[in-house]
Amino acid sequence: DAGVIQSPRHEVTEMGQEVTLRCKPISGHDYLFWYRQTMMRGLELLIYFNNNVPIDDSGMPEDRFSAKMPNASFSTLKIQPSEPRDSAVYFCASSSWTGVDTDTQYFGPGTRLTVL
Amino acid sequence: AQTVTQSQPEMSVQEAETVTLSCTYDTSESDYYLFWYKQPPSRQMILVIRQEAYKQQNATENRFSVNFQKAAKSFSLKISDSQLGDAAMYFCAYSRRGNKLVFGAGTILRVKS
Repeated sequence: DAGVIQSPRHEVTEMGQEVTLRCKPISGHDYLFWYRQTMMRGLELLIYFNNNVPIDDSGMPEDRFSAKMPNASFSTLKIQPSEPRDSAVYFCASSSWTGVDTDTQYFGPGTRLTVL
Repeated sequence: AQTVTQSQPEMSVQEAETVTLSCTYDTSESDYYLFWYKQPPSRQMILVIRQEAYKQQNATENRFSVNFQKAAKSFSLKISDSQLGDAAMYFCAYSRRGNKLVFGAGTILRVKS
């Protein structure tokens, strides 16, 4: 299996621009998570989905952030408009409700976002 | 709310020696999971080991083992025969079934040759 795939790996943009981060979970996984990592706040959950349905979006900072999962193999995290304080590493992770590694989250390589 | 505490910001170990990283957590749940993840400079989050709370037996994965003390809410990671490739940031994490991971602040592990 290719593991969790994220794109782009690096994104540099200017304040006010729209940013879209993409994630392809491991095939067969029914949970998908978006996390953000910063020096100040560490690793924190933004939102997660179960069977393509958002379950907990309490970590989404504000209305500038939105996430979708149109099907089981694709999710997007969008920031519009972006601000310098959004600069961080954004991780996508997926897990399965069944199997020997139930509820074990596997992470993608992350997207390093820099907003100038 | 669940919390995870890693009290050691940084640890050092000599190559081939053993080191233990500490982690404590707070929860009122009885059914949960605990994890250790490794994050090398590449930023990739790599699963090291997983423990299910209902299992009394401590998990092991090759040179990595845990000491899980449920009553004390303690979950330490022991790395035996340390290697240069073990140098990384290590995160302790907690989750309930079908729920988010709650991470500790991390411990930087340095391995000396």
